[in-house]
Amino acid sequence: DVKVTQSSRYLVKRTGEKVFLECVQDMDHENMFWYRQDPGLGLRLIYFSYDVKMKEKGDIPEGYSVSREKKERFSLILESASTNQTSMYLCASSLRGADTQYFGPGTRLTVL
Amino acid sequence: AQTVTQSQPEMSVQEAETVTLSCTYDTSENNYYLFWYKQPPSRQMILVIRQEAYKQQNATENRFSVNFQKAAKSFSLKISDSQLGDTAMYFCAFIPYNTDKLIFGTGTRLQVFP
Repeated sequence: DVKVTQSSRYLVKRTGEKVFLECVQDMDHENMFWYRQDPGLGLRLIYFSYDVKMKEKGDIPEGYSVSREKKERFSLILESASTNQTSMYLCASSLRGADTQYFGPGTRLTVL
Repeated sequence: AQTVTQSQPEMSVQEAETVTLSCTYDTSENNYYLFWYKQPPSRQMILVIRQEAYKQQNATENRFSVNFQKAAKSFSLKISDSQLGDTAMYFCAFIPYNTDKLIFGTGTRLQVFP
């Protein structure tokens, strides 16, 4: 079974802090994704990566950056957290292309 | 723009009954995959069922089946013999063959009651 893990289930940070969200997959998938989930808006893609050190912007990249130094790990970085970044963050991975995406458990981030 | 519409924000069904969740999408692509994902309360999002657009036969997975109408761009999910464990948020999504970007609907919250 594919396993996607995220470093924290719940996180509370203060405005202006730098925040790191980590995601690890154990199935040698090429693609990894970061989504943001908000009520009534579904899932929106922040960034994705199709290979080590490669990244592409999704639909809402503003205020976020990402890092993929190793194939199994994909990090989402909030350089200076703001209250409007309070949300559920979901990581996913897929083998390649349009293959099925497998999701992590999510990190609920609260920015005070 | 490619979009997915789930017009039912909330639904409820009695245990053992059948319920259908609707999904429509808009794309100019001819080849794509369609998905239904389930997200139980405070639990991980998991794949329920997947359909390839070039296949006319509707996908089924145990109690879950889809009604795929390509011309109408409709992809509904039928849950038969509903169980309490089916209580969850259900997301419809699609991805064209030539991209990596999955496009989600806004979700339908399903409550199964005894």
